Amino acid sequence: GAVVSQHPSRVICKSGTSVKIECRSLDFQATTMFWYRQFPKQSLMLMATSNEGSKATYEQGVEKDKFLINHASLTLSTLTVTSAHPEDSSFYICSALRGTGDEKLFFGSGTQLSVL
Amino acid sequence: AQSVAQPEDQVNVAEGNPLTVKCTYSVSGNPYLFWYVQYPNRGLQFLLKYITGDNLVKGSYGFEAEFNKSQTSFHLKKPSALVSDSALYFCAVRDLGNRRGFKTIFGAGTRLFVKA
Repeated sequence: GAVVSQHPSRVICKSGTSVKIECRSLDFQATTMFWYRQFPKQSLMLMATSNEGSKATYEQGVEKDKFLINHASLTLSTLTVTSAHPEDSSFYICSALRGTGDEKLFFGSGTQLSVL
Repeated sequence: AQSVAQPEDQVNVAEGNPLTVKCTYSVSGNPYLFWYVQYPNRGLQFLLKYITGDNLVKGSYGFEAEFNKSQTSFHLKKPSALVSDSALYFCAVRDLGNRRGFKTIFGAGTRLFVKA
């Protein structure tokens, strides 16, 4: 089956620093990738839609300058949390759309970000 | 606007009994519906989807879901629950009438607890 690799799985950083999270589709090309944030009370919130070669589309209330998304190739999207603060601590999950007709989403295993 | 509601935070069921995890949705166009499962310390996994055709959809691990257009529901079911089914379940909807096409919105999640 299709595999999406997300790295790192866990990161602890100091307040004010930036953190980059990578999302790679290992065995398929993904023109569209999504970034979600999972809050402690379970819900998955869509942050942005990342399209290869174009600017990401952010959901209402998500700061684009805070959460920088780059989808430079058909197999890689990155999310950079800039000037991280403790309230940014959360579980971030990426997913990739495999456009072969079934259009299932394939998810990375997530990144637990803890900002001290 | 798209929305998904999972009215139950937690569902408790005894092993061997049937289970139902509820989901209702709202879209402006035709819905594309999914169920995903998240096991502890693992990423989200696809269970099943509905696009068109038979209202009863069969998926992985013995799960099935019934699409009910009049009630705008897509409840997840299994005839006989297993302890290993205990996990977090997410219902998701994609609005095929949406110009962007692929944005997938998730419900808040329902934790299923199967007791031996």
